[in-house]
Amino acid sequence: SQQGEEDPQALSIQEGENATMNCSYKTSINNLQWYRQNSGRGLVHLILIRSNEREKHSGRLRVTLDTSKKSSSLLITASRAADTASYFCATDASTDKLIFGTGTRLQVFP
Amino acid sequence: DVKVTQSSRYLVKRTGEKVFLECVQDMDHENMFWYRQDPGLGLRLIYFSYDVKMKEKGDIPEGYSVSREKKERFSLILESASTNQTSMYLCASSLPRGGLGETQYFGPGTRLLVL
Repeated sequence: SQQGEEDPQALSIQEGENATMNCSYKTSINNLQWYRQNSGRGLVHLILIRSNEREKHSGRLRVTLDTSKKSSSLLITASRAADTASYFCATDASTDKLIFGTGTRLQVFP
Repeated sequence: DVKVTQSSRYLVKRTGEKVFLECVQDMDHENMFWYRQDPGLGLRLIYFSYDVKMKEKGDIPEGYSVSREKKERFSLILESASTNQTSMYLCASSLPRGGLGETQYFGPGTRLLVL
């Protein structure tokens, strides 16, 4: 079964609004990562948060991690049309491989 | 910058053909991965390799094999292509720090259609 599950599956917002995506996972992890995928392209790493961290920022991205709830959120502030993409969380389960969720499709309208 | 390249962006093959998908990375990464991506199923790991000539089965290895003769190159082989192998195939590489769970760098993907 999937280790990471993103919520919502799809999100549509206007430019300038904030976008929040959530990820839940089942087992303990060493780190959790977020990736972005533009349509028909490969994934691009956005940010990694370790299990002993609670929050991390990178530009307009803010990631939180709650290990007690086994959940993470990705916040994109002041979204732009260019942020339109699918966003995936990935966790390293006990096997040390990355396990990806099914992703959130974000559409940002100009 | 890490660069991962895949031999084809689009590929059309016939059922029963032997298909080779090539992946090359230029950052001397030890770990390399092959995934397939299907709508609603996310990314699923087919095979991975943590060193030259080493390979490990992922979650869905049936119908596939791999080859890693050189550190920079990881090939995915469909021995006898079938229509249910129509998919987007993604290659990735990473350093071995902290096991295999570190940041992965992806190629642009190969969209394979098997007729």
